[in-house]
Amino acid sequence: QKEVEQNSGPLSVPEGAIASLNCTYSDRGSQSFFWYRQYSGKSPELIMSIYSNGDKEDGRFTAQLNKASQYVSLLIRDSQPSDSATYLCAVNMGAGGSYIPTFGRGTSLIVHP
Amino acid sequence: DTEVTQTPKHLVMGMTNKKSLKCEQHMGHRAMYWYKQKAKKPPELMFVYSYEKLSINESVPSRFSPECPNSSLLNLHLHALQPEDSALYLCASSQTSSGYNEQFFGPGTRLTVL
Repeated sequence: QKEVEQNSGPLSVPEGAIASLNCTYSDRGSQSFFWYRQYSGKSPELIMSIYSNGDKEDGRFTAQLNKASQYVSLLIRDSQPSDSATYLCAVNMGAGGSYIPTFGRGTSLIVHP
Repeated sequence: DTEVTQTPKHLVMGMTNKKSLKCEQHMGHRAMYWYKQKAKKPPELMFVYSYEKLSINESVPSRFSPECPNSSLLNLHLHALQPEDSALYLCASSQTSSGYNEQFFGPGTRLTVL
């Protein structure tokens, strides 16, 4: 079964620190990876997409991909209390010519002042 | 316009009712999705429409019936639901259903089945 694994947390960091969120996936053929932020009671909001090995930076967010290790991470620099949310890792997994968006269980992040 | 809209925001229905959820996007996207999300769980894919044709049905019970009247609209018809179907129903769209497309989610419909 094709899976996406995340530590459910909560991950607690002080304001101003770097938060590191991790995700592993089982389908070695996966090519596209996404991070979503979801506040309680709200819908997921896309933060980053990454398709190639290495780092991709957007403001305070950096996504890192290592396909050989089947590992994706999200770094949040200068964490703010407003970053407190659940972060969902999503991987598009191939299935007979189609792609099934598969989500991890999410990591709860708490940024305390 | 990068918005996906969903109506209604909240819906309460009995097990014998028939109701519909509606989703709309005006981004020119050709793939649209329905997800179900229970509390503290990730979204679970239900259906994928690609170019207005149903391309993926994740073995969803027939009491859920999707419909894509045109490239901007997606409906989910509900009939004879069970209390365990209570959840947040999310619609999403992407440019196409190829693997490299980012999905954009609507705000969701909070469904309660009595």
